[in-house]
Amino acid sequence: DADVTQTPRNRITKTGKRIMLECSQTKGHDRMYWYRQDPGLGLRLIYYSFDVKDINKGEISDGYSVSRQAQAKFSLSLESAIPNQTALYFCATSDHTPDWGTDTQYFGPGTRLTVL
Amino acid sequence: RKEVEQDPGPFNVPEGATVAFNCTYSNSASQSFFWYRQDCRKEPKLLMSVYSSGNEDGRFTAQLNRASQYISLLIRDSKLSDSATYLCVVNVGISGGGADGLTFGKGTHLIIQP
Repeated sequence: DADVTQTPRNRITKTGKRIMLECSQTKGHDRMYWYRQDPGLGLRLIYYSFDVKDINKGEISDGYSVSRQAQAKFSLSLESAIPNQTALYFCATSDHTPDWGTDTQYFGPGTRLTVL
Repeated sequence: RKEVEQDPGPFNVPEGATVAFNCTYSNSASQSFFWYRQDCRKEPKLLMSVYSSGNEDGRFTAQLNRASQYISLLIRDSKLSDSATYLCVVNVGISGGGADGLTFGKGTHLIIQP
């Protein structure tokens, strides 16, 4: 079984709809992240969480919100989806090290979201 | 100037050849460096960390040049299965004031041809 899972894997929705992407992990890691990937732009960080009570904005948090329901679960919400949020979304986890910058990140398989 | 820059390629290389590509980074406070591999429509996976003294893992060699702010990846005896996009990843770490995640390059696309 995969250590980091994402649901749904593919989703097509309409402008203005609310949508939630879910991420679960069995690695026992404290740290979880949401990224989006766009052609020509690479991976960009949306939100990250170092533990259940810690939520931080990333580079491109506008239009998104997150919820860390448990150590193993981190969900990303689009309250009112718009077409430029069409992208490939990845969840990732990492374990704590003294210097956070050395964490290896483990990615889920991705959610392909299309907003019409 | 972009924080992490890579030549997007594609690099078309015959099987068995040696290929190398570089990545430059703009933040001199960067502390951690990695190469990730991403296959088409798949998630990125860590290929190797990059250490100051350089490091090797089988056919792969990574090097860091802090003075010139670049890292490199060398692949020897390339295999068809090496075809992928290679992402350069940099992190300034907590002590560098950056607690906002890894910074990814856009990737270099490598195609190994039979």
